[in-house]
Amino acid sequence: DAGVIQSPRHEVTEMGQEVTLRCKPISGHNSLFWYRQTMMRGLELLIYFNNNVPIDDSGMPEDRFSAKMPNASFSTLKIQPSEPRDSAVYFCASSLGGVNPGELFFGEGSRLTVL
Amino acid sequence: AQSVAQPEDQVNVAEGNPLTVKCTYSVSGNPYLFWYVQYPNRGLQFLLKYITGDNLVKGSYGFEAEFNKSQTSFHLKKPSALVSDSALYFCAVRDGRFYFGTGTSLTVIP
Repeated sequence: DAGVIQSPRHEVTEMGQEVTLRCKPISGHNSLFWYRQTMMRGLELLIYFNNNVPIDDSGMPEDRFSAKMPNASFSTLKIQPSEPRDSAVYFCASSLGGVNPGELFFGEGSRLTVL
Repeated sequence: AQSVAQPEDQVNVAEGNPLTVKCTYSVSGNPYLFWYVQYPNRGLQFLLKYITGDNLVKGSYGFEAEFNKSQTSFHLKKPSALVSDSALYFCAVRDGRFYFGTGTSLTVIP
């Protein structure tokens, strides 16, 4: 298996622009998580999905952030409009849920720089 | 609510010496505990997990962790540290979502 695939790996954009980050989870995994990592705030959970349904989006910073999972093999995290304080590494991760929960598998991350 | 704490931001150890990275947890119900490692500019990588069974869990790269229910701890250990073990280590607990600690930066000194 190729693991969790994220794109783009690096994104540099200007304040006010729309940013879309993409994630392909591991086939067969039914839970998907979006995290943000910064030096100041560490690793933060933004949102997670179970069976394509958003379960907890309390970590989404504000209305500028939105996430979708239209099917089991694809998810997007969108920031519109972007701001310099959104600069961070965004990770997507997937796992098996259920009675015997599995470990998280992380993608390599999307490093976002907003100028 | 579930949580984990990593009391040390930084741990330094000499190459060849045993290493310990500490983690304590607070959960309601059975704990599902995990350790992850992050190398620079990489995603987090799974090391090991405790779900049930033996209190000593063995994982990748020679790491192991001991689950201690009375002390609510799940410390990560390795008998002999390598320079290549230098990285950021995260403890986590799961109850649907994952709750991560703040991370411990491990430096192995040659």
